[in-house]
Amino acid sequence: GENVEQHPSTLSVQEGDSAVIKCTYSDSASNYFPWYKQELGKGPQLIIDIRSNVGEKKDQRIAVTLNKTAKHFSLHITETQPEDSAVYFCAAKETMNSGGYQKVTFGTGTKLQVIP
Amino acid sequence: KAGVTQTPRYLIKTRGQQVTLSCSPISGHRSVSWYQQTPGQGLQFLFEYFSETQRNKGNFPGRFSGRQFSNSRSEMNVSTLELGDSALYLCASSLREGYEKLFFGSGTQLSVL
Repeated sequence: GENVEQHPSTLSVQEGDSAVIKCTYSDSASNYFPWYKQELGKGPQLIIDIRSNVGEKKDQRIAVTLNKTAKHFSLHITETQPEDSAVYFCAAKETMNSGGYQKVTFGTGTKLQVIP
Repeated sequence: KAGVTQTPRYLIKTRGQQVTLSCSPISGHRSVSWYQQTPGQGLQFLFEYFSETQRNKGNFPGRFSGRQFSNSRSEMNVSTLELGDSALYLCASSLREGYEKLFFGSGTQLSVL
C-alpha cells in the first residue's frame, strides 16, 4: 500500500517568513495530492490540491509543487501570518478506477507555529 | 450549507464497554469515511461507506465496525474498548464514492479509562 512520509514534524517561523513542508510517497500510481490544515479543536480542512499531470499550483500565499520522478511534493506558504499556525497534513490518493476505490493515505502532520 | 456534524463531541468510557459515534454528512454527499487520529499515528483510515455499503476498510480489528443509513448518515461502533482506542475519531464526507475532496467534521474525542 501507499506510504506517505512528511517532514518536518514541527516548524517555527517568524511572521512574514516563508514555510515549506515536504512529503514523499511510495506508490507511483498515486496521482492526487491534497493538503489539509487542521486548527485546534477542528477537523482537517482542504486548502490546496494538485494532480499528477501538473507540476505546480498556486492559490494566493499557498503553493504546492510536485516532482513525480522523485515522488515528492511540497507545500509552500509565503508571508506567513499568525493565523497560519496549525497542523498541516499532506496526503496521496490513487484515482478510483473501474476496478475499485483507493483510500487517501495521510502523512503524519507538521505543526506550524508562526511567531508574531 | 451545513458542514459535517459529528456527535457526541466528547466521550469517556471504561475498558470493555462499547461506544457508538454518529456522523451526518453534508447535504447531497453520499460517501462517508471514518478516520482515527492519534498523536503518534496521524490519521488512520478506518472504512468508507457509500450507498449503505462498506466500500473499503483499513487495518483495524473487527471490534471496529460501521454502517450507513439510506439518508447517508453513518455510525461507527467500537466494541470491547481498549485503552489504545483513545483517539479523535473523524468523519469525512464526499460527493460520491472515490471522490477526492474530503470534508471533515470536528470529530469525537474518545477517552478510554
